Amino acid sequence: DAGVIQSPRHEVTEMGQEVTLRCKPISGHDYLFWYRQTMMRGLELLIYFNNNVPIDDSGMPEDRFSAKMPNASFSTLKIQPSEPRDSAVYFCASSRLKQRGEQYFGPGTRLTVT
Amino acid sequence: EDQVTQSPEALRLQEGESSSLNCSYTVSGLRGLFWYRQDPGKGPEFLFTLYSAGEEKEKERLKATLTKKESFLHITAPKPEDSATYLCAVQAARTMDTGRRALTFGSGTRLQVQP
Repeated sequence: DAGVIQSPRHEVTEMGQEVTLRCKPISGHDYLFWYRQTMMRGLELLIYFNNNVPIDDSGMPEDRFSAKMPNASFSTLKIQPSEPRDSAVYFCASSRLKQRGEQYFGPGTRLTVT
Repeated sequence: EDQVTQSPEALRLQEGESSSLNCSYTVSGLRGLFWYRQDPGKGPEFLFTLYSAGEEKEKERLKATLTKKESFLHITAPKPEDSATYLCAVQAARTMDTGRRALTFGSGTRLQVQP
């Protein structure tokens, strides 16, 4: 299996622009998670899906952030408009139903907003 | 609110020098405690799951233990390739209010093993 795939790996954009991050989970996994990692705040859960349905989005910082999972093999995290404080590494992870804590992480997208 | 505190923040060891990393937690009903390893520029990699006090898990030079308040990750005779950041996370039992059962991560211990 190829593991969790994320794109792009690096994104540099200007403040105010729209940013879309993409994730392909491991085939057969029921859960998909979006995390953000910074030096100051560590690894934070933004939102997670079960069978393509958003279960908990309480970690999404503002209305500027939105996430979708149109099917079992694809999810997006969108930031519109982006701000410098959104600069971070964004990880996508997936897991099976009965092993929810055993999550498989993608390589991350390093986002820089100037 | 679930809380996870890891110590020390950073640890430098000589190759072969055994030590332990600590993870203290506060959670409303522990469903599971998880250890992950993260190499620079990569996503966290799952290591262990512990479910109840007294449980132990081993993998090569690593052994994880669990009590009702904390977990330890023991590293025996470490090698330079063990250098990484080690993250601890907890999963709470389902609550009536939110049903949320996501992971709460600690800030990690950055381990450096010198040859």
